Amino acid sequence: GAGVSQTPSNKVTEKGKYVELRCDPISGHTALYWYRQSLGQGPEFLIYFQGTGAADDSGLPNDRFFAVRPEGSVSTLKIQRTERGDSAVYLCASGLAGGDTQYFGPGTRLTVL
Amino acid sequence: GENVEQHPSTLSVQEGDSAVIKCTYSDSASNYFPWYKQELGKRPQLIIDIRSNVGEKKDQRIAVTLNKTAKHFSLHITETQPEDSAVYFCAASSSGTYKYIFGTGTRLKVLA
Repeated sequence: GAGVSQTPSNKVTEKGKYVELRCDPISGHTALYWYRQSLGQGPEFLIYFQGTGAADDSGLPNDRFFAVRPEGSVSTLKIQRTERGDSAVYLCASGLAGGDTQYFGPGTRLTVL
Repeated sequence: GENVEQHPSTLSVQEGDSAVIKCTYSDSASNYFPWYKQELGKRPQLIIDIRSNVGEKKDQRIAVTLNKTAKHFSLHITETQPEDSAVYFCAASSSGTYKYIFGTGTRLKVLA
């Protein structure tokens, strides 16, 4: 079946702009995660949804970052007033409720000029 | 805070040789340890995982070992092939939080 998909695959924006990154999880997966991967580093946890609610948002770096999952499926990561340091690959993963395994999407490469 | 250390950062082996990558975790509540392979520009792909009630798990040429006392776990790849070349990440998580804490990655190069 279809895996996790993310759009756009690449996003270039200017410093100070607002961006939205979208994640479509595997059908039936109630758990959804966002990670950020900087060049040469492992993914860093941002936020975890179980259904519609954010169960753990401890990884969001500051209040410019926000994520929603209004219907318990698609999720959107929103970044306000982007900064050059926000440039990274943003990965989404999904999994079954109570399950350990996470399946990753291809990521969105965000470049802030 | 929670931390996973991974070594080495780069590893070059001759085709057919074995490769070993080691990780150490800090959170004693961690009970699930997946390994992901990531090719350049691609998504991380799960290659093997182990839970804390098991000491070793094998899948064809890939094996993972876990030492809970020492908080160490390792990935072993035997009979390496050029297509094994990629970056490998270890991770640790615990039931209840589910978030993964990743290591910094190991770039494996298999030389033909």
